[in-house]
Amino acid sequence: NAGVTQTPKFQVLKTGQSMTLQCAQDMNHEYMSWYRQDPGMGLRLIHYSVGAGITDQGEVPNGYNVSRSTTEDFPLRLLSAAPSQTSVYFCASSPMQFYGYTFGSGTRLTVV
Amino acid sequence: KQEVTQIPAALSVPEGENLVLNCSFTDSAIYNLQWFRQDPGKGLTSLLLIQSSQREQTSGRLNASLDKSSGRSTLYIAASQPGDSATYLCAVRLTDSWGKLQFGAGTQVVVTP
Repeated sequence: NAGVTQTPKFQVLKTGQSMTLQCAQDMNHEYMSWYRQDPGMGLRLIHYSVGAGITDQGEVPNGYNVSRSTTEDFPLRLLSAAPSQTSVYFCASSPMQFYGYTFGSGTRLTVV
Repeated sequence: KQEVTQIPAALSVPEGENLVLNCSFTDSAIYNLQWFRQDPGKGLTSLLLIQSSQREQTSGRLNASLDKSSGRSTLYIAASQPGDSATYLCAVRLTDSWGKLQFGAGTQVVVTP
């Protein structure tokens, strides 16, 4: 039981490049979310999903896309990276609304 | 809109003292409240989950209370140790159909030997 797995752990991108942050969970959780964490800003919700094929925008969705084709995977796509997207990204999952969330170990992204 | 506040933002105590961390929220319509610990450069580790119908939850030296009507939760850590040094975050789970988490900014704790 690996929990929530995020890859890569570290990434450096040039402005304008695209990439996908991977998130996978093996707990059969329906709820999955992406957060970014910045100094002084706390954790902010980017996108979330309540099951395969169902996603919606969070507080800071601009510049990011998501899709959920399976229960296990919830990738986050940066279409054209900008320095403002330099941050630590966390993926989280939860089985149902009365349960807690489990977080991945994060991806530290730097856009130069 | 739900607002979650954690006071103080930082706290330093000598080893052995009890820690008291506060979390307040503006809307009592929550499913539950979760306390997390975050070490520098690391992910979030869940410490305690307290449901909206519960008054408190305990795990070892940790005890969390919840007063939903006043919008407050308190995390108590007994007999603090240097290994308790970390940032502690609280998050409420909203009762909308999406079950989103709303986080506080955290309390940074330093326990000195």
